[in-house]
Amino acid sequence: DVKVTQSSRYLVKRTGEKVFLECVQDMDHENMFWYRQDPGLGLRLIYFSYDVKMKEKGDIPEGYSVSREKKERFSLILESASTNQTSMYLCASRETGQGVGYTFGSGTRLTVV
Amino acid sequence: GNSVTQMEGPVTLSEEAFLTINCTYTATGYPSLFWYVQYPGEGLQLLLKATKADDKGSNKGFEATYRKETTSFHLEKGSVQVSDSAVYFCALSDFYNQGGKLIFGQGTELSVKP
Repeated sequence: DVKVTQSSRYLVKRTGEKVFLECVQDMDHENMFWYRQDPGLGLRLIYFSYDVKMKEKGDIPEGYSVSREKKERFSLILESASTNQTSMYLCASRETGQGVGYTFGSGTRLTVV
Repeated sequence: GNSVTQMEGPVTLSEEAFLTINCTYTATGYPSLFWYVQYPGEGLQLLLKATKADDKGSNKGFEATYRKETTSFHLEKGSVQVSDSAVYFCALSDFYNQGGKLIFGQGTELSVKP
């Protein structure tokens, strides 16, 4: 089975800190995604990547950046954390092709105080 | 653009009741359709999928049929258990439009009481 591993289940950070959320997948998938999930707003796409060193903005990229230096790792960066970035962050990967679903990590619940 | 609409929750059922969670979609091409489940404190897991019209996806007693004529993919289970309590997400992807990105519905919370 494909495994997507997010490095932390829970994080507490201070306002203004630079925050790194790490995601690693072990099945050589080309495509990786970062979502945030908030009550009443569902899942919203932040950034995605179709290949190494390639990134595309999703629906809500403001305040975030990403890095994909290796195929298996996709990092989400909060340049200067703010309280409105308190959320559940979900990473996913998929291989290329029609009818292929995503495999999600377990999520990181980030609290910014 | 493509979109997914799910029935609002929460849905509360007694154990062994019949479950239906409605999902309809709007798509310009020929999307694949998915149901994901999220248990408390966890990420999303793929529950079932269907890739073309009239396909039926099934898993763990859950079923959904891809109905192109009604643009629907309703989730059903004949007899729910307490362990089915979770949030269920309907989603679509169209590889030839929007590169296969998943578009999610808002999610429907299911609570099953003993």
